[in-house]
Amino acid sequence: DTGVSQDPRHKITKRGQNVTFRCDPISEHNRLYWYRQTLGQGPEFLTYFQNEAQLEKSRLLSDRFSAERPKGSFSTLEIQRTEQGDSAMYLCASSLVGPTLGETQYFGPGTRLLVL
Amino acid sequence: AQSVTQLGSHVSVSEGALVLLRCNYSSSVPPYLFWYVQYPNQGLQLLLKYTSAATLVKGINGFEAEFKKSETSFHLTKPSAHMSDAAEYFCAVSEGPTGANSKLTFGKGITLSVRP
Repeated sequence: DTGVSQDPRHKITKRGQNVTFRCDPISEHNRLYWYRQTLGQGPEFLTYFQNEAQLEKSRLLSDRFSAERPKGSFSTLEIQRTEQGDSAMYLCASSLVGPTLGETQYFGPGTRLLVL
Repeated sequence: AQSVTQLGSHVSVSEGALVLLRCNYSSSVPPYLFWYVQYPNQGLQLLLKYTSAATLVKGINGFEAEFKKSETSFHLTKPSAHMSDAAEYFCAVSEGPTGANSKLTFGKGITLSVRP
């Protein structure tokens, strides 16, 4: 168990460019979440998957954001036509949902995005 | 709808002193409650969680929290602060056993400083 990994750890881009982030969850975890954290705030939910299915998207998630989890393993989060307001830490978390109570989400180290 | 309120953005204590970080929640269904810690430039690490079993929950690194339904609170405590406890602490809520939504709603976080 190597934990949740995210790549890249840092990304600097110019306004209007597209960026893609990758998340590798803990193996065999069936749920995967994306959160966004801005400076001085707690993480905000963006979207989540159970296996390959995207079950919920936040109203915060504009049409420029898209996420996939094609084989129920790793996930990608793409932001098109980036804006300066997209600058944030993007966190991925995974969990195993089963018969025991209290699903626990394990977080990756995050990808810090700076849009110039 | 769920929400978390963490009063105060910064708490400073002396090494060896009691740590008390406050968290109040709002939830339309019985909640699950979590405390996470975040060190600089890292992801979130779970300290402890409440999942409708014992109301006093013990976590890692000597931290514990008590669920008080009547006060809608889940305050985090540690009897004796250590320099290594300096970090940002987040309280989070999700829908509990009667709810279908597992996404976490976080508070704004509290920065804990420990003075020598």
